[in-house]
Amino acid sequence: GENVEQHPSTLSVQEGDSAVIKCTYSDSASNYFPWYKQELGKGPQLIIDIRSNVGEKKDQRIAVTLNKTAKHFSLHITETQPEDSAVYFCAAPPGGSYIPTFGRGTSLIVHP
Amino acid sequence: NAGVTQTPKFRILKIGQSMTLQCTQDMNHNYMYWYRQDPGMGLKLIYYSVGAGITDKGEVPNGYNVSRSTTEDFPLRLELAAPSQTSVYFCASREFTVNTEAFFGQGTRLTVV
Repeated sequence: GENVEQHPSTLSVQEGDSAVIKCTYSDSASNYFPWYKQELGKGPQLIIDIRSNVGEKKDQRIAVTLNKTAKHFSLHITETQPEDSAVYFCAAPPGGSYIPTFGRGTSLIVHP
Repeated sequence: NAGVTQTPKFRILKIGQSMTLQCTQDMNHNYMYWYRQDPGMGLKLIYYSVGAGITDKGEVPNGYNVSRSTTEDFPLRLELAAPSQTSVYFCASREFTVNTEAFFGQGTRLTVV
């Protein structure tokens, strides 16, 4: 089955700095890579996703990059703000599967 | 638009008791999932369903049961609660198309004492 590794498990930054979270996956047939944000006491919510026909996607301060050859994808958050503090999960459903495989999550802490 | 609704939000159970965690979605999604989230351990799949009347085991199904009698509802049953089942439980759903996002409920925090 698919194996998704996510690093780091904890990331602490100062407000205004950039944050990068990386995930690697094992199934070369995977072609959809979402990122979820989980705020305290809530369920995960999609913030951005990328499909394998593009290498990068941006939405304001967040971006996701994909390297299919190396089988890794990354979440980039620029100009971090305290409200970015949350747990972030990557996912990489095996090719053609309807069961998303999640990374272990990254706890991002943004210090004011 | 309610999305995915879970009840209850919190529950304390005694060892050996049973309970049902309720999950309902109003998006007419075929796929529904139950995950548990332990501290630092990410999301582990308990059971999933691809449509009414069809369920299957995930990574950690022992101690749980599910049913899917309607498209909307996907309850999770704990028959004999054990301390190891102390966790936060999330229900999720997604539409039939493969590469689409999952929608999560707010979670149920369960403590077994």
